[in-house]
Amino acid sequence: DQQVKQNSPSLSVQEGRISILNCDYTNSMFDYFLWYKKYPAEGPTFLISISSIKDKNEDGRFTVFLNKSAKHLSLHIVPSQPGDSAVYFCAASEWGASGSRLTFGEGTQLTVNP
Amino acid sequence: DGGITQSPKYLFRKEGQNVTLSCEQNLNHDAMYWYRQDPGQGLRLIYYSQIVNDFQKGDIAEGYSVSREKKESFPLTVTSAQKNPTAFYLCASSPGGTGNYEQYFGPGTRLTVT
Repeated sequence: DQQVKQNSPSLSVQEGRISILNCDYTNSMFDYFLWYKKYPAEGPTFLISISSIKDKNEDGRFTVFLNKSAKHLSLHIVPSQPGDSAVYFCAASEWGASGSRLTFGEGTQLTVNP
Repeated sequence: DGGITQSPKYLFRKEGQNVTLSCEQNLNHDAMYWYRQDPGQGLRLIYYSQIVNDFQKGDIAEGYSVSREKKESFPLTVTSAQKNPTAFYLCASSPGGTGNYEQYFGPGTRLTVT
């Protein structure tokens, strides 16, 4: 049962244009959402997050939007740069009896072409 | 210089042998996690620990074991019972406690079992 899904395995955009990465989830108990960026053979690095009580969070070129009713979030990168080329993972957090844990999507490979 | 270290970066083992992957953090984080990543898949949670001397099974714990005898260390043993042990293994930590969702990742260990 895949609770967090990223339906696009890959996305290719031109430098300077907008990149939009999408993520859907099924578990209504998720209360916090994060985006991570990962280069090959390295650990993921945290990019941006959003609490379930908000619908938008912005940090420089990165903006995350959350639509709770649709159980959907998206990451916008504007303008896209070649250095943004990486795999992007969406993650959702729930707080349970055993503390907090993250559930990750499958990832989207973003390629920004010069 | 705080962070998470995983060693070695690459590990090779023969089928039928147990192998232990190291994870150390000097961030003074209470919570630690182990994930595995396979090609085309997201990060899947193996085990996690919110506090010393306590740990919980994640989604794919079969064939793995962990210990948490010290706050800064969370070694993962891949046993011969794990059917498909070849993968990229990632360790992460977080401050723990309510409201602390972000996890910080180590550089990963690529394990190849032949």
